[in-house]
Amino acid sequence: EIVLTQSPGTLSLSPGERATLSCRASQSVSSNYLAWYQQKPGQAPRLLIYGASSRATGIPDRFSGSGSGTDFTLTISRLEPEDFAVYYCHQYSRSPDTFGQGTKLEIK
Amino acid sequence: QVTLRESGPALVKPTQTLTLTCTFSGFSFSTSGMCVSWIRQPPGKALEWLARIDWDDDKYYSTSLKTRLTIFKDTSKNQVVLTMTNMDPVDTATYYCTRILGGTNGYYPDYWGQGTLVTVSS
Repeated sequence: EIVLTQSPGTLSLSPGERATLSCRASQSVSSNYLAWYQQKPGQAPRLLIYGASSRATGIPDRFSGSGSGTDFTLTISRLEPEDFAVYYCHQYSRSPDTFGQGTKLEIK
Repeated sequence: QVTLRESGPALVKPTQTLTLTCTFSGFSFSTSGMCVSWIRQPPGKALEWLARIDWDDDKYYSTSLKTRLTIFKDTSKNQVVLTMTNMDPVDTATYYCTRILGGTNGYYPDYWGQGTLVTVSS
């Protein structure tokens, strides 16, 4: 199965700053079938990005995804207070689906 | 409006079989590409994909858990059921069901239920 490794484990930034989160796959993710989810404490994950770079419905344009093959990035251009959460990447190109271990984005 | 709700026991004993039901509205398995998956999350840990069932009754399972999992659907009731045998304390987690509308963009969850916490303890 494809193993996803997210880095860093924790990212400490201030509102207004730019956040860059990485997701690296152990094998190529075909068709760029990679998604990003945001999860806040006590809540279910929320879909942000699918197909590596397509924003889900209602997601602000400060969120963007990029990458292909084995290296993917989620960028938040200007952090808002509500963006501090845990972020997971998810590959759905090859069964079984797998998730990364998460990056916690915390307020500095 | 798409909604999903998980239901099942909050507490199970080791070796017992867990049965979880996902009841949904706002979509139907009569739509080509429609799927429901189960994903779990131990307290403080990452998400783990468990299983998926498709509109045409194709089924997919986690490699490490496939011998313990069964997924099936009751189309008339808009429900998907997941059973997991031989429960162990390490299976303590919040269990989520999700909707997937597959197509040219692949098969990824776009709607999630609120999750149900299952604790395994004697």
